[in-house]
Amino acid sequence: DSGVTQTPKHLITATGQRVTLRCSPRSGDLSVYWYQQSLDQGLQFLIQYYNGEERAKGNILERFSAQQFPDLHSELNLSSLELGDSALYFCASSVAGRQETQYFGPGTRLLVL
Amino acid sequence: ILNVEQSPQSLHVQEGDSTNFTCSFPSSNFYALHWYRWETAKSPEALFVMTLNGDEKKKGRISATLNTKEGYSYLYIKGSQPEDSATYLCAPLSGNTPLVFGKGTRLSVIA
Repeated sequence: DSGVTQTPKHLITATGQRVTLRCSPRSGDLSVYWYQQSLDQGLQFLIQYYNGEERAKGNILERFSAQQFPDLHSELNLSSLELGDSALYFCASSVAGRQETQYFGPGTRLLVL
Repeated sequence: ILNVEQSPQSLHVQEGDSTNFTCSFPSSNFYALHWYRWETAKSPEALFVMTLNGDEKKKGRISATLNTKEGYSYLYIKGSQPEDSATYLCAPLSGNTPLVFGKGTRLSVIA
């Protein structure tokens, strides 16, 4: 158990819908990272937050957004969902910077029908 | 975006064999390299963070070396066991870029 929690574990929804994925980092970690893993793809970095501020952005679609709240939990919002958004979404946390070990949550499996 | 290559893509070894695989990355502006172990149906688990040229890290039967000048890292597993079966990911950091994960080497250890 890494200490990072993600909810929900599974999510099934329809195209065009909007969903919110939630992540609670390990106690004391200030950075939260979101990753997407689609079929046949590696882990794709989406976005990083550090202490409430966006720190780095990767291959995140405009339909996706994220935020980190004062209690350091983070939410990833996915809107106007398409079939191709079906994937495993991981959240990870680290104490501070990207050079440090990241601890991954169990992931949320999203299925868009 | 960093170009990260891991080889081989997959590997089947017998229990007790030692094995190694490679992560190649651009050597310019190198900052750090992460190795992760990812078992099926679980989440990636950190093995090592390496920063210095010539670094060697060890965790039990798994060790890693780093050559930042030529842009590669080797991961070695001594005396492979079935529980070592997993995908091994490397992720270099360069300049201001976020972590870029390679596609991994999938290791299967046959008892």
